[in-house]
Amino acid sequence: IQLTQSPSSLSASVGDRVTITCRASQGISSYLAWYQQKPGKAPKLLIYAASTLQSGVPSRFSGSGFGTGTDFTLTISSLQPEDFATYYCQQLNSYPLTFGGGTKVEIK
Amino acid sequence: EVQLVESGGGLVQPGGSLRLSCAASGFSFSDHYMDWVRQAPGKGLEWVGRIRNRANSHTTEYAASVKGRFTISRDDSKNSLYLQMNSLKTDDTAVYFCARVLGTTLSDHHFDYWGQGTLVTVSS
Repeated sequence: IQLTQSPSSLSASVGDRVTITCRASQGISSYLAWYQQKPGKAPKLLIYAASTLQSGVPSRFSGSGFGTGTDFTLTISSLQPEDFATYYCQQLNSYPLTFGGGTKVEIK
Repeated sequence: EVQLVESGGGLVQPGGSLRLSCAASGFSFSDHYMDWVRQAPGKGLEWVGRIRNRANSHTTEYAASVKGRFTISRDDSKNSLYLQMNSLKTDDTAVYFCARVLGTTLSDHHFDYWGQGTLVTVSS
């Protein structure tokens, strides 16, 4: 299953609302997770089951799924300085597990 | 506190072998599936493979790119996960992360804890 993230990068300001899209090549129900990765660090789980916020993750992060389990979004409602990072979606529906190509969120 | 610490990375020639380890602590290691994920320099994340828990017979899954060359194993008595890498290619150069799978049902197959990674460089 291929996951296509868009955009591959974006520039935004502190306080902006940011939305990242992940499209699966076939339906994956809600078996999708989102991770945040900062340079030189391991990824950090943000969202699982498409829309469930991982414990300890700020509520400005949210996830949703649309259609027949192929379209998903990660939204940051008000971008904070610590949110500048690369974000990856991951499908957990079937093997091989796959990640999207990543979206780098940069400071405008 | 859950901790995952990888070790064993380094420089190896093409065609060579390397064994990575991941030492786990702070949780019941034997109950969890464990995965390996890698990231080539400047690139995205790539899933390498999985080993299930003892209740699921320690069965494994692999990415096509490593199947037949890499072997994942575990020693629950030592709370350790391993990745044996053979016939290494330059394309295998990456940081290798171990990751804990939250649960055994499909809705819990995400990775809730990750190690810091260990760098493997395949070069002559």
